[in-house]
Amino acid sequence: AQSVSQHNHHVILSEAASLELGCNYSYGGTVNLFWYVQYPGQHLQLLLKYFSGDPLVKGIKGFEAEFIKSKFSFNLRKPSVQWSDTAEYFCAVKRNSGYALNFGKGTSLLVTP
Amino acid sequence: GAGVSQTPSNKVTEKGKYVELRCDPISGHTALYWYRQSLGQGPEFLIYFQGTGAADDSGLPNDRFFAVRPEGSVSTLKIQRTERGDSAVYLCASSLTRENTGELFFGEGSRLTVL
Repeated sequence: AQSVSQHNHHVILSEAASLELGCNYSYGGTVNLFWYVQYPGQHLQLLLKYFSGDPLVKGIKGFEAEFIKSKFSFNLRKPSVQWSDTAEYFCAVKRNSGYALNFGKGTSLLVTP
Repeated sequence: GAGVSQTPSNKVTEKGKYVELRCDPISGHTALYWYRQSLGQGPEFLIYFQGTGAADDSGLPNDRFFAVRPEGSVSTLKIQRTERGDSAVYLCASSLTRENTGELFFGEGSRLTVL
């Protein structure tokens, strides 16, 4: 079955620690890849996206993600997290030929001061 | 409005009742999506509208669920004979065009609780 897998459901980090959240997908063909973030009490918003070109994409607030086609992965990274990065992070995949954005289960990140 | 607006923000109903959830997308956005998010899960696709028509309703779980978008703007998700398993946050999102999909703008959701 086609799916989006996020490996870590809960992550706790201290401020200034580095972050990497894993995301793998099982869709064949050309895909578009996204990371969405939901801060406490707020709606989902786009963090970054990959459609084509440079597989290393940069998003808002210092986040970046790398698309590795051979591994069907799109991991999210940030060199140094801040307390304000505490949020739920969702990886999402859309087949180029489709309409639906399919989400992983999410990773809850808590950054402690 | 500036963003996607969803009403009601909270709805508590009894098993077997009928429920309507409303979504007012960003002005000019032709693509509209409904998602459902259960506790501890990511958003689950329900239905996609391009204009007035449902281009993809493959995510609707059964025939108790139905959605309309008669004028290509506001959409209503309708749930008949609600069941406790329907309890979730129902999210609406819009985007400018299908080609720009992926950059979805989400509302804050309607939390449905079925007792």
